[in-house]
Amino acid sequence: EDQVTQSPEALRLQEGESSSLNCSYTVSGLRGLFWYRQDPGKGPEFLFTLYSAGEEKEKERLKATLTKKESFLHITAPKPEDSATYLCAVQASGQAGTALIFGKGTTLSVSS
Amino acid sequence: EAEVAQSPRYKITEKSQAVAFWCDPISGHATLYWYRQILGQGPELLVQFQDESVVDDSQLPKDRFSAERLKGVDSTLKIQPAELGDSAMYLCASSYDRGADTQYFGPGTRLTVL
Repeated sequence: EDQVTQSPEALRLQEGESSSLNCSYTVSGLRGLFWYRQDPGKGPEFLFTLYSAGEEKEKERLKATLTKKESFLHITAPKPEDSATYLCAVQASGQAGTALIFGKGTTLSVSS
Repeated sequence: EAEVAQSPRYKITEKSQAVAFWCDPISGHATLYWYRQILGQGPELLVQFQDESVVDDSQLPKDRFSAERLKGVDSTLKIQPAELGDSAMYLCASSYDRGADTQYFGPGTRLTVL
């Protein structure tokens, strides 16, 4: 069964304190791995897509990496406005459609 | 910047009533998805459309849920009758095509069933 597990469930950081979020996955065949940011009461906002092991992408203070079994979202010198829930999702080749399979998310709180 | 539109943003209803949600995808996007997100969980697929055709509705509770995309553009998701367990955020997403295309999400409809 295709599955995505995110850890930790919640993470509290001080402003400027760098850290990483983990996303481990098991899929029959990986078409792509996606990271989204979700603010309370809003829809997910797209951050990155990774397609193959070894790939990395960066955007401002965020950097996403991918291995054959997991992905990391590294947050460098976070600011309070980075506080949100970060969702990881995979698109698997063995399913009928192309829907995303999501993890439960990591809720990040950054205090000043 | 083009966005996925959804309405209403909030809906409160009593159990056994009918509710309907509307989604207008980004112009030119052929693929449309409806997801349901329970508080504290990730979104889960209800139904996927490619143009006006259903691609995957294996997780749609067909005894009470229905979805349509008649002209291959906007879409409606209906629940009849609503149950207490249907309280959730209903999210619409669209992508240019199938495959590993980025899915862009709308703001969602928060449904509360009393």
